[in-house]
Amino acid sequence: EAGVTQFPSHSVIEKGQTVTLRCDPISGHDNLYWYRRVMGKEIKFLLHFVKESKQDESGMPNNRFLAERTGGTYSTLKVQPAELEDSGVYFCASSQDTGSTDGYTFGSGTRLTVV
Amino acid sequence: SQKIEQNSEALNIQEGKTATLTCNYTNYSPAYLQWYRQDPGRGPVFLLLIRENEKEKRKERLKVTFDTTLKQSLFHITASQPADSATYLCALDVRYGQNFVFGPGTRLSVLP
Repeated sequence: EAGVTQFPSHSVIEKGQTVTLRCDPISGHDNLYWYRRVMGKEIKFLLHFVKESKQDESGMPNNRFLAERTGGTYSTLKVQPAELEDSGVYFCASSQDTGSTDGYTFGSGTRLTVV
Repeated sequence: SQKIEQNSEALNIQEGKTATLTCNYTNYSPAYLQWYRQDPGRGPVFLLLIRENEKEKRKERLKVTFDTTLKQSLFHITASQPADSATYLCALDVRYGQNFVFGPGTRLSVLP
């Protein structure tokens, strides 16, 4: 079984540019989560999809961040325009059921650097 | 205010000993608590989940306890090996899988 795949693994962009991160969850996993870790801080929740619907987007920092999951398969997270404080590692995770006792499967993350 | 603390930023132990990591939380009422392992450049890897009504969970050399009165979870690795060296994260699931909160992590080094 393929794991959670994130693309790109690294991205360096200039302040003001747009970046789109992609996440391919495990096939059949309805739940998809985005998290991020900024330098020196804990991993923080951004949002949660169930299939194509946003279940909880309370962690999204501001309206420069837009997440989509069209068709309930892969998801994209777009940052437009990017700011310096957006630098960090963005993780995607998926699970079959909400509250799964099997835990959540994380991707390896996308390291975003805004210069 | 709400807070999650893990006992120390780094912990060094000798191979073969038991490593004990602590996760304390304040002003949360988690439905369950998870432990993850993270290696450099990788995402967290799920290890164990324990529910609020469970006292202890085991998996191979791993054991987790959960005391909702003390608001604390202990994570034990018995017969530790250098391959166990990693950062260990606790995560409180506070909305039944819709949102969970991570601690800062403890970096464990098992010395040969």
